[in-house]
Amino acid sequence: SQTIHQWPATLVQPVGSPLSLECTVEGTSNPNLYWYRQAAGRGLQLLFYSVGIGQISSEVPQNLSASRPQDRQFILSSKKLLLSDSGFYLCACPPPGRSTEAFFGQGTRLTVV
Amino acid sequence: AQRVTQPEKLLSVFKGAPVELKCNYSYSGSPELFWYVQYSRQRLQLLLRHISRESIKGFTADLNKGETSFHLKKPFAQEEDSAMYYCAISGGYQKVTFGTGTKLQVIP
Repeated sequence: SQTIHQWPATLVQPVGSPLSLECTVEGTSNPNLYWYRQAAGRGLQLLFYSVGIGQISSEVPQNLSASRPQDRQFILSSKKLLLSDSGFYLCACPPPGRSTEAFFGQGTRLTVV
Repeated sequence: AQRVTQPEKLLSVFKGAPVELKCNYSYSGSPELFWYVQYSRQRLQLLLRHISRESIKGFTADLNKGETSFHLKKPFAQEEDSAMYYCAISGGYQKVTFGTGTKLQVIP
């Protein structure tokens, strides 16, 4: 079965600082990968998805970017964090054989101060 | 574009009462619909999928294409059902889009 590793689990960063959140997947190859943000009152918002190395689709305009340097690695970044970037960030990919579903990592709680 | 609407942010019911969490969707083709659940301090996880026509933990959901709805139902709520519930849709490119979620609070 697959596993998703996200780190760090929690992060407190000052406004204007850079960000790098990493997600790695094991137990599957060439998966679709997703970054979601869960914010109070706004539900679960799809930020980016990737169907392969170097292929990134952005769902909403924002202060964040994503990259996929390796098949099972997905990185969420920002050059300068805003207060509004605070939230719970989840990496996800489909379970093997179930391409229309999402299996989630444990998430990263980001607080921008 | 695919879209999911969950009109209720919070739903409070008494233990033993029926539960219905509403979900409406928009998609031009034939989507797949799901319900996900997140219990306190646990990972967000799949609860059920419409194509399986299954009952999980007493919950069922029927896809109504005429009304474009996929409401989640349970005849008798239990305290352990208290959680955040998300309706989700998957259409083109296997992209999964979630609703804003409904927090279910079961009152003892």
